[in-house]
Amino acid sequence: AQTVTQSQPEMSVQEAETVTLSCTYDTSESDYYLFWYKQPPSRQMILVIRQEAYKQQNATENRFSVNFQKAAKSFSLKISDSQLGDAAMYFCAYFDSGGSNYKLTFGKGTLLTVNP
Amino acid sequence: DGGITQSPKYLFRKEGQNVTLSCEQNLNHDAMYWYRQDPGQGLRLIYYSQIVNDFQKGDIAEGYSVSREKKESFPLTVTSAQKNPTAFYLCASGDSPYEQYFGPGTRLTVT
Repeated sequence: AQTVTQSQPEMSVQEAETVTLSCTYDTSESDYYLFWYKQPPSRQMILVIRQEAYKQQNATENRFSVNFQKAAKSFSLKISDSQLGDAAMYFCAYFDSGGSNYKLTFGKGTLLTVNP
Repeated sequence: DGGITQSPKYLFRKEGQNVTLSCEQNLNHDAMYWYRQDPGQGLRLIYYSQIVNDFQKGDIAEGYSVSREKKESFPLTVTSAQKNPTAFYLCASGDSPYEQYFGPGTRLTVT
């Protein structure tokens, strides 16, 4: 079964600085998707960024970028120029695109605090 | 406005009562999903539906039931058989299985 591990329960960063959140996953599949979701205090899950495993190029979305290391099964999220609004719980998630189960497998999350 | 709505935001029930959580979407998405979130945990899939009148169990379906009579609606019933129903419930929908957009969630408290 696929598993997703976020080894940092909490992280903090100073406003305007850069922070990297870690995620590792375990799978025997070659075709899959990886995601970072943000859950602010409102608790709505917001998609931050998505990476397709067959694409070697790392995905970027404005201040958010990933470092996807397929062989190492690592998928870290870098937030540049951190803003107070980035404070949230961040979840890494995995989707097996070759399977019949339409399930997102989530890690347990990393709580990010942004200090002014 | 297009989006996913869940109502109510907070729900309180007595133990032994069934309760139904609403999820509606006007995005014309084929697939809809129900997840449960507990403190300190990621989301876990309860049920999903790819098309109307069809749905499949997720990892933690015991004690829950769903229906999909309309494309835009996917209500979740938490039955009295669910041993620990107090949780945050999130509904999602998407055109593709790797695109899931979430509603605002319902916090269910059973005492």
